[in-house]
Amino acid sequence: GEDVEQSLFLSVREGDSSVINCTYTDSSSTYLYWYKQEPGAGLQLLTYIFSNMDMKQDQRLTVLLNKKDKHLSLRIADTQTGDSAIYFCADPNSGGYQKVTFGTGTKLQVIP
Amino acid sequence: DAGVTQSPTHLIKTRGQQVTLRCSPKSGHDTVSWYQQALGQGPQFIFQYYEEEERQRGNFPDRFSGHQFPNYSSELNVNALLLGDSALYLCASSLEGTSRPLHEQYFGPGTRLTVT
Repeated sequence: GEDVEQSLFLSVREGDSSVINCTYTDSSSTYLYWYKQEPGAGLQLLTYIFSNMDMKQDQRLTVLLNKKDKHLSLRIADTQTGDSAIYFCADPNSGGYQKVTFGTGTKLQVIP
Repeated sequence: DAGVTQSPTHLIKTRGQQVTLRCSPKSGHDTVSWYQQALGQGPQFIFQYYEEEERQRGNFPDRFSGHQFPNYSSELNVNALLLGDSALYLCASSLEGTSRPLHEQYFGPGTRLTVT
């Protein structure tokens, strides 16, 4: 079955860039997603990328997609303490989100 | 316009009991999906309801059941609770079921279930 993997933890200093990585085993999805979850909260859609794109930039966020290597990354520029959260990549597979697979999440700690 | 709401916020149950969680979709949405998020894990799809029927189901036992009402709200029922059922249960709503992309799905804040 589908497997989506992420590193568990990332610590960065405020003002530095953060890069969160994700690998997936199988995807025919039209889009791939990044979600953010703050303590005690639900999931917040952060950004997504169309599968025929290599890169998408949205203000401080840059998503890179390497379909050949099945690798997705999220770069956060000028990381702030408010960015401290758990970040999940998600692959809806065939596009029907009833089959969506989430990664295990990367906890981002921003040190002031 | 209210987003997706869930109740209760927190719940503590004893092993073997039954629990019902509730979800009201975002206004205008007709499809509700339920996810279980165990501590330290990503959400896992439980099932999806559309037109008052279960359309898709993840890898969860029959102890997990649901219902969708004519107003599109939904309930998740879990029978014979196990310690391992302790998790955050997330509800998400969207329009028109399986054909919609994930970014048109909105998540609620979740219900934290603790089984002791």
